[in-house]
Amino acid sequence: GQQVQQSPASLVLQEGENAELQCNFSTSLNSMQWFYQRPEGSLVSLFYNPSGTKQSGRLTSTTVIKERRSSLHISSSQITDSGTYLCAMEPGYQNFYFGKGTSLTVIP
Amino acid sequence: GPKVLQIPSHQIIDMGQMVTLNCDPVSNHLYFYWYKQILGQQMEFLVNFYNGKVMEKSKLFKDQFSVERPDGSYFTLKIQPTALEDSAVYFCASSLALGGLEQYFGPGTRLTVL
Repeated sequence: GQQVQQSPASLVLQEGENAELQCNFSTSLNSMQWFYQRPEGSLVSLFYNPSGTKQSGRLTSTTVIKERRSSLHISSSQITDSGTYLCAMEPGYQNFYFGKGTSLTVIP
Repeated sequence: GPKVLQIPSHQIIDMGQMVTLNCDPVSNHLYFYWYKQILGQQMEFLVNFYNGKVMEKSKLFKDQFSVERPDGSYFTLKIQPTALEDSAVYFCASSLALGGLEQYFGPGTRLTVL
């Protein structure tokens, strides 16, 4: 079954608005990562965050292990934030399972 | 930060031909992975590799697929023969250990099978 559920599937924001992206896991997780996938397809690793909260600039990731979820908060969105955000989880000594992604469009 | 390189970035071949995708993993990493992403679809795991052996593979890793890393050189994915449904972007990744650590991804190789 589907191990990683991402929501929302798509999101349109006006520049300057904040976004909250969610990732829920059907099993316990050993580690997880958030990625940004550029429109041309390449991946940028945003956070390796198996637990707790991490911040980098306008991005904040919070993973709550016992609730099997992680969130990615984007503050003061910019047009260049547009793209697809992927979360991936590893349930334990295995490969990563990816979600289907959240497609973010930031408009002026 | 550490980088994974993939060569080539794009490859176009005719159905039935052989193709080799190359990955240059992070230098001190021991575990290597291939993932497949069909255009507009979810990224999916193909195979992981350690110490010269396939550790785990998914049902997407068909008999026509093989992986190797001869003498610490490139980690390769070979498809022979290719099929139309092999058209996708293939991402290589590497990590220090299996499980519980960050995986570093390459930029992907876009494979088009005609």
